[in-house]
Amino acid sequence: NAGVMQNPRHLVRRRGQEARLRCSPMKGHSHVYWYRQLPEEGLKFMVYLQKENIIDESGMPKERFSAEFPKEGPSILRIQQVVRGDSAAYFCASSPGQGAGSPLHFGNGTRLTVT
Amino acid sequence: DAKTTQPTSMDCAEGRAANLPCNHSTISGNEYVYWYRQIHSQGPQYIIHGLKNNETNEMASLIITEDRKSSTLILPHATLRDTAVYYCIVRVRGSGGSNYKLTFGKGTLLTVNP
Repeated sequence: NAGVMQNPRHLVRRRGQEARLRCSPMKGHSHVYWYRQLPEEGLKFMVYLQKENIIDESGMPKERFSAEFPKEGPSILRIQQVVRGDSAAYFCASSPGQGAGSPLHFGNGTRLTVT
Repeated sequence: DAKTTQPTSMDCAEGRAANLPCNHSTISGNEYVYWYRQIHSQGPQYIIHGLKNNETNEMASLIITEDRKSSTLILPHATLRDTAVYYCIVRVRGSGGSNYKLTFGKGTLLTVNP
């Protein structure tokens, strides 16, 4: 089975541009999570989605950030008007269910660099 | 969710068992113990999880004390590729609340030496 696929692996954007990060969950997984890891810091929860629904976006910055997980296709994390402070590794995870007995499986991330 | 306490760093000789401790003295009866690791520049990798009983899989063993206030992750024969940050996380059982989240702390940097 293919794991969680994220693309691109590396993304360079100038300040003010938009960044789109894609995540294809593992086959059969309908729950997607996005985490951010700033340089030399820990992993921070951003958002939890199920197909066509945002369940918890408590970790998302209030402005410029949005996420979706459409009925068809990958989940997208979108950052508008990027700033240098958005430079980080963004990790997506998926699970087959919501319960605590369903481990999250992570992709290898997208490293965003804002110049 | 209960908080966990782990040593900042540990060393282990290649081929020996690596025993990584975790304290979770405020854990509730409905919380799982999860272990993940993150090798440099990669995404977190699921290792193992358990509720009350000891668990073993192809990667590691998880030993949970009877009072559930602490646990130990055991890598039976550590290799250089096991050098990583290891995270111990407690996660609420059940379908309510925010049990879907994993809250990562700082973890333990395990360095396996040749």
